[in-house]
Amino acid sequence: ELKVEQNPLFLSMQEGKNYTIYCNYSTTSDRLYWYRQDPGKSLESLFVLLSNGAVKQEGRLMASLDTKARLSTLHITAAVHDLSATYFCAVGPSGSARQLTFGSGTQLTVLP
Amino acid sequence: DAGITQSPRHKVTETGTPVTLRCHQTENHRYMYWYRQDPGHGLRLIHYSYGVKDTDKGEVSDGYSVSRSKTEDFLLTLESATSSQTSVYFCASTGDSSNQPQHFGDGTRLSIL
Repeated sequence: ELKVEQNPLFLSMQEGKNYTIYCNYSTTSDRLYWYRQDPGKSLESLFVLLSNGAVKQEGRLMASLDTKARLSTLHITAAVHDLSATYFCAVGPSGSARQLTFGSGTQLTVLP
Repeated sequence: DAGITQSPRHKVTETGTPVTLRCHQTENHRYMYWYRQDPGHGLRLIHYSYGVKDTDKGEVSDGYSVSRSKTEDFLLTLESATSSQTSVYFCASTGDSSNQPQHFGDGTRLSIL
């Protein structure tokens, strides 16, 4: 059974600071996705990571994937208040019918 | 983004009543999914479909059934709702390429009293 662990679960940070969210998973996977969810809203796709060493960047967010370590990171650079949201990683086991297993989410609050 | 809509958006019902949630997508996606979201649990997969009339169970399928008679529609049914099924339900869809993330509907907030 695939298990996906995110940490931290809650993150409060000051504007302008940097931080990293970690996503560990338990079995072989060939695809990992990051999503953002604002309170009361749907999930929005941020990044698709499909190979070892993949790195994607969008604005102040950068995601990377290390399939050998079964680890993905979401790095936040110079945080701003608009980044406050819950971030989920989701992992698809190799050979599955495109199902995903989601982490519990990291609730990020950026303080002024 | 994929056009995916859920109905109803909110529903309050009583224990023991049947409930059907609807998901409609306009992207001709092959795969569709139903999740529930509860505090502390992230999203958990209830059922999924990999084609018309092809469905399978997810992690938390007990008490739920699904049907997919057309590519664009995926129904989730609670045959006899229980209070433990109070949750926010999300539908998602995706195509055949791994480059495509799952695209989510806006969710249905279901309260069972």
